[in-house]
Amino acid sequence: EAGVAQSPRYKIIEKRQSVAFWCNPISGHATLYWYQQILGQGPKLLIQFQNNGVVDDSQLPKDRFSAERLKGVDSTLKIQPAKLEDSAVYLCASSFGELFFGEGSRLTVL
Amino acid sequence: AQSVTQPDIHITVSEGASLELRCNYSYGATPYLFWYVQSPGQGLQLLLKYFSGDTLVQGIKGFEAEFKRSQSSFNLRKPSVHWSDAAEYFCAVGGTGTASKLTFGTGTRLQVTL
Repeated sequence: EAGVAQSPRYKIIEKRQSVAFWCNPISGHATLYWYQQILGQGPKLLIQFQNNGVVDDSQLPKDRFSAERLKGVDSTLKIQPAKLEDSAVYLCASSFGELFFGEGSRLTVL
Repeated sequence: AQSVTQPDIHITVSEGASLELRCNYSYGATPYLFWYVQSPGQGLQLLLKYFSGDTLVQGIKGFEAEFKRSQSSFNLRKPSVHWSDAAEYFCAVGGTGTASKLTFGTGTRLQVTL
């Protein structure tokens, strides 16, 4: 079975620029998550979707971060404008009981 | 609020030696507990999980963990470490009734010397 797909794997931008990450979950998984993993830290939940509805976005910095999951399948996470402290790996995960993680998108903000 | 503490940031063991990685959690009810492993540049892979029942759980790659409610701990063990086990290990606790919304510890980086 195919795993969680994420792209791009790496992205370098300058502060105040925008960036978008894409995630394709495992087929049939209704729940999708975006986690932020800063170097030296554990992953932190940014947002959780159930189908195309938001379940939890309490830790999403909504002034600059946005996420959507149109049609309840693929999801996009956007950052605009980016700050230096947004440098991190953005992990997408999907679940049908158990979480499966993608390989992540590494963002470097200069 | 739920939280996870991994007191060891970095551990070095010799290949063939035994390993124990510590994890302490804080949660108001019976927790769902997990150990994940992350190799450089890779995503997180589930090693094992505890939901209920037998407090000693077996996982993949020869790992096991023991849930001790009295100590609020869920330590990961392996009797004989292989060089390929070098990676970052994360303990996580989940909310009641679901395996999602995980709260992760800060991780323990394992180095294996030959």
